Amino acid sequence: AQTVTQSQPEMSVQEAETVTLSCTYDTSESDYYLFWYKQPPSRQMILVIRQEAYKQQNATENRFSVNFQKAAKSFSLKISDSQLGDAAMYFCAYRSATYGNKLVFGAGTILRVKS
Amino acid sequence: KAGVTQTPRYLIKTRGQQVTLSCSPISGHRSVSWYQQTPGQGLQFLFEYFSETQRNKGNFPGRFSGRQFSNSRSEMNVSTLELGDSALYLCASSFPDYQETQYFGPGTRLLVL
Repeated sequence: AQTVTQSQPEMSVQEAETVTLSCTYDTSESDYYLFWYKQPPSRQMILVIRQEAYKQQNATENRFSVNFQKAAKSFSLKISDSQLGDAAMYFCAYRSATYGNKLVFGAGTILRVKS
Repeated sequence: KAGVTQTPRYLIKTRGQQVTLSCSPISGHRSVSWYQQTPGQGLQFLFEYFSETQRNKGNFPGRFSGRQFSNSRSEMNVSTLELGDSALYLCASSFPDYQETQYFGPGTRLLVL
């Protein structure tokens, strides 16, 4: 079974600074998808970024980028120019490319942004 | 496009009762998945429905069931509620293609007393 580990329960960043959230996963599959979701206090889960395992190029979405290391099974999220609105719980998630829409989530990292 | 909607948003039940939660996916989405979120267990996959058929199932007891209607709307039912069923229940929808991303609804907060 696949597992996802987020080793940082909580992180803090100063507004306008850069922060990196860590995620590692375990799988025997070669084809899969990885996601970062953000859950603000409103509890609405919002997609931040996604990465296809077959793509070597790291995904980017505006101020958000990932460092995908397939061999190391690592998938970190970098948030540049942090804003107060980035404060939330961030979840790393894994989905098989062949076994349906089941997302396996990590435990989450609370990100606090200081003004 | 309207997002995923879930009703009701909040619910209080007592032990032994049953509850039905509803999820309306984004227009055109035909896959609906359900997740349970608790402080202790985190986010756990319950099941996925596509074309009115259960396509995937997580490790939950038979008290948890679901169904999907021809318009892709989905319901989940929990019978004989236990205190441990108190959780945020999230629904997510996507196109049936496995390459597609899931988009989540706002959730239903269930409190079992």
